[in-house]
Amino acid sequence: QVQLVESGGGVVQPGRSLKLSCEASGFTFSSYAINWVRQAQGKGLEWLAVISSDGRNEHYADSVKGRFTISRDSSKNTVFLQMRSLRAEDSAVYYCAKDSSAFGDYDFVHWGHGTLVTVSS
Amino acid sequence: DIQMTHSPSSLSASVGDTVTISCRASQNIRTYLNWYQKKPGEAPKLLISDASSLQNGVPSRFSGSGSGTDFTLTIRSLQLEDFATYYCQQRSATPPTFGPGTKVEIK
Repeated sequence: QVQLVESGGGVVQPGRSLKLSCEASGFTFSSYAINWVRQAQGKGLEWLAVISSDGRNEHYADSVKGRFTISRDSSKNTVFLQMRSLRAEDSAVYYCAKDSSAFGDYDFVHWGHGTLVTVSS
Repeated sequence: DIQMTHSPSSLSASVGDTVTISCRASQNIRTYLNWYQKKPGEAPKLLISDASSLQNGVPSRFSGSGSGTDFTLTIRSLQLEDFATYYCQQRSATPPTFGPGTKVEIK
């Protein structure tokens, strides 16, 4: 069955960096785009980024463009989210979500359990 | 970006009730509209895709309708496990955007 497991969350100071991982299994990793979505405490869901199945195309939300970078390693069936210049408002649970196609159809059927990022001094 | 709004933002209901949640898009998204259920500490669950297509395994008491800018999620005969927050999401354009959610609470 499809499994997505996020890791890498934790407490980080404002202005610092953090890299999240999303390890995938149970499907043909090279055939599907992967997205990152977050939810701050008491807030709604916010889409952040998508990377195509071949890793050649990416899109970002304006709120993270220029600070976050999504990438994937097909040898490890893993997608990464490199987060830089972190702010308090980046504190949230970060989910990876498998797309329904090779690039950005944005049907999020399968999700990971999430990893908590707290930006605080 | 396409803005999504919900109404109401929250509602109180009893087991067995029928509840209706509305979602509006700031522009025509045809039927590129998904509905998710979110419970605290759990990942979101896709209930309905393309405005009205029930996902495998989702109880038939859930239904969706609408097209263009106005959409509805209906839950008939509300069960205890249905108390959660519900989000609509448009996938007509990048970035995909979610509504602010409707919290369904126990009366």
